[in-house]
Amino acid sequence: AQTVTQSQPEMSVQEAETVTLSCTYDTSESNYYLFWYKQPPSRQMILVIRQEAYKQQNATENRFSVNFQKAAKSFSLKISDSQLGDTAMYFCASALKAAGNKLTFGGGTRVLVKP
Amino acid sequence: DTAVSQTPKYLVTQMGNDKSIKCEQNLGHDTMYWYKQDSKKFLKIMFSYNNKELIINETVPNRFSPKSPDKAHLNLHINSLELGDSAVYFCASSQSPIFYNEQFFGPGTRLTVL
Repeated sequence: AQTVTQSQPEMSVQEAETVTLSCTYDTSESNYYLFWYKQPPSRQMILVIRQEAYKQQNATENRFSVNFQKAAKSFSLKISDSQLGDTAMYFCASALKAAGNKLTFGGGTRVLVKP
Repeated sequence: DTAVSQTPKYLVTQMGNDKSIKCEQNLGHDTMYWYKQDSKKFLKIMFSYNNKELIINETVPNRFSPKSPDKAHLNLHINSLELGDSAVYFCASSQSPIFYNEQFFGPGTRLTVL
């Protein structure tokens, strides 16, 4: 079984500032991927970034980066230089090799970027 | 140019009715999914199909029946709708059922059961 927990229901940040979203997960598997998906008010889910469990180097995608702490089972998302368009729900998710293509999502964190 | 499309976007219906939601993807993917997002925004997988074959079937009432006529389409039929079925239903697709593949989501169908 796998669980994904996002402890921050809501966060706000000023435009151009940095915000960090927390995510912890629980699995006994060693081979898995972690993802952050964004759901803006339009409802469309979009992949932001993904991280392979075997890679120690943290993934980055432009202004988005992760801090992957495998031992602590932590996978936080940092949004740098926040923009108004970053306002959205952010979901952390995991996929285990043993479970195939089944994504398990956390409860989400609502991010509000203020002008 | 929509990659994953769903119809309808909104569906309002009475308890006890039967309804269907259609999903199509033009990405050439082999694998398609149905997710349910409840009122608290919690997302949970319901079904997954690979090349028209069911590969994931979570604990979902029998009233929900997915159908995949071809690998570009995955429809969801719901019988005897209940109040608790009110949610947003998302269709998604991925290149294959391998765990690291990105899943591409449709815009969602908001189902309201009165």
